[in-house]
Amino acid sequence: EIVLTQSPATLSLSPGERATLSCRASQSVGSYLAWYQQKPGQAPRLLIYDTSNRATGIPARFSGSGSGTDFTLTISSLEPEDFAVYYCQQRSNWPLTFGGGTKVDIK
Amino acid sequence: EVQLLESGGGLVQPGGSLRLSCAASRFTFSSYGLSWVRQAPGKGLEWVSGITGSGSGTYYADSVKGRFTISRDNSKNTLYLQMNSLRAEDTALYYCAKDISKGASRGPTMLDYWGQGTLVIVSS
Repeated sequence: EIVLTQSPATLSLSPGERATLSCRASQSVGSYLAWYQQKPGQAPRLLIYDTSNRATGIPARFSGSGSGTDFTLTISSLEPEDFAVYYCQQRSNWPLTFGGGTKVDIK
Repeated sequence: EVQLLESGGGLVQPGGSLRLSCAASRFTFSSYGLSWVRQAPGKGLEWVSGITGSGSGTYYADSVKGRFTISRDNSKNTLYLQMNSLRAEDTALYYCAKDISKGASRGPTMLDYWGQGTLVIVSS
């Protein structure tokens, strides 16, 4: 199975700052990578699919990039509601796999 | 908006069985694949199983293969997960999630709508 490694585990930033989250795959997943946001007590929400496509209703401050084995989720300017845990997920091979998550917390 | 409502969770002894259900509404049920994803307390997400829109294709994580069975009833807009031979490590919140890609024969891809989950606790 494809292993996804996210870094850093925790990112401490202030509102208004830029957040850069990384996801590395153990083998190429092409462009078949998604990003999800999860807040405490809530279900995950799809942010980005197929590397760079924003899901319905997702603000433009969220963007994704990368290909092959290295991917990045960027939040251009953090809003208070963006402090959460973020997961990447690949759909290149079954089983689908998720990364371990990056927690973005308030500095 | 799409709605997914899980039920059937609870406390079960190791070795026991449980059947989860997910009632769906507000989308063309048979046109989309569905998945079960679980989250152990304080841990990350783990994809468990997926099924095509038609029900003809099923997919499992190695950790549950041979113990769990996914199915769906397109006449009732309901997804199921039959869980047998449960272990302590199966303890988790189980989410039902809809695939973003339309197609009755497509396997699981990316998940654009999620339910709120049903909690399964395996303990003696």
